[in-house]
Amino acid sequence: GEDVEQSLFLSVREGDSSVINCTYTDSSSTYLYWYKQEPGAGLQLLTYIFSNMDMKQDQRLTVLLNKKDKHLSLRIADTQTGDSAIYFCAESPNSWGKLQFGAGTQVVVTP
Amino acid sequence: NAGVTQTPKFQVLKTGQSMTLQCAQDMNHEYMSWYRQDPGMGLRLIHYSVGAGITDQGEVPNGYNVSRSTTEDFPLRLLSAAPSQTSVYFCASSNTLAGGTDTQYFGPGTRLTVL
Repeated sequence: GEDVEQSLFLSVREGDSSVINCTYTDSSSTYLYWYKQEPGAGLQLLTYIFSNMDMKQDQRLTVLLNKKDKHLSLRIADTQTGDSAIYFCAESPNSWGKLQFGAGTQVVVTP
Repeated sequence: NAGVTQTPKFQVLKTGQSMTLQCAQDMNHEYMSWYRQDPGMGLRLIHYSVGAGITDQGEVPNGYNVSRSTTEDFPLRLLSAAPSQTSVYFCASSNTLAGGTDTQYFGPGTRLTVL
């Protein structure tokens, strides 16, 4: 089964906050990542968090990490229509740098 | 900089045909990777390279070959296409191995259908 799990779909109203959740399995992962994929495009790194941090804020994005529960979340404040995309959580579980991706959460922003 | 480019954008093959998906980057990155993306499964690593002349297998290498004769190019070859290889293929490159703070840059993808 998947090592990284995410819910598949999130609908949010424009202006509200979005919260995308992810659980991972490998406690040795040094970094955890959030990628964004817009329709017809490749993945774009949004942000990452080092495993010894609890929180990282970057403009409208807030990443929370609960290492005990192996839970990662991405909060997008004041969600805009341009935030409609698929969001992938990823971990780096071993030393040779393979990224393990979740299945992606499709975020749909409605007016 | 063009970044990471992939050709073709779309391809339809018949079972048993062979083809090469092209990937090139102009950022002088040492590390390049190929992923496939299937619905509900995220991205899975097919092959990767840590520099010219060096390649290794990822999570799902069967049915695919790669080579890295130059820093810029990392083609992916399908030897005998099967319907199970219908997918979207992404090439990525980075300064360091994935898993650090360096960004992996992804190409726009090649959508492959095998009939």
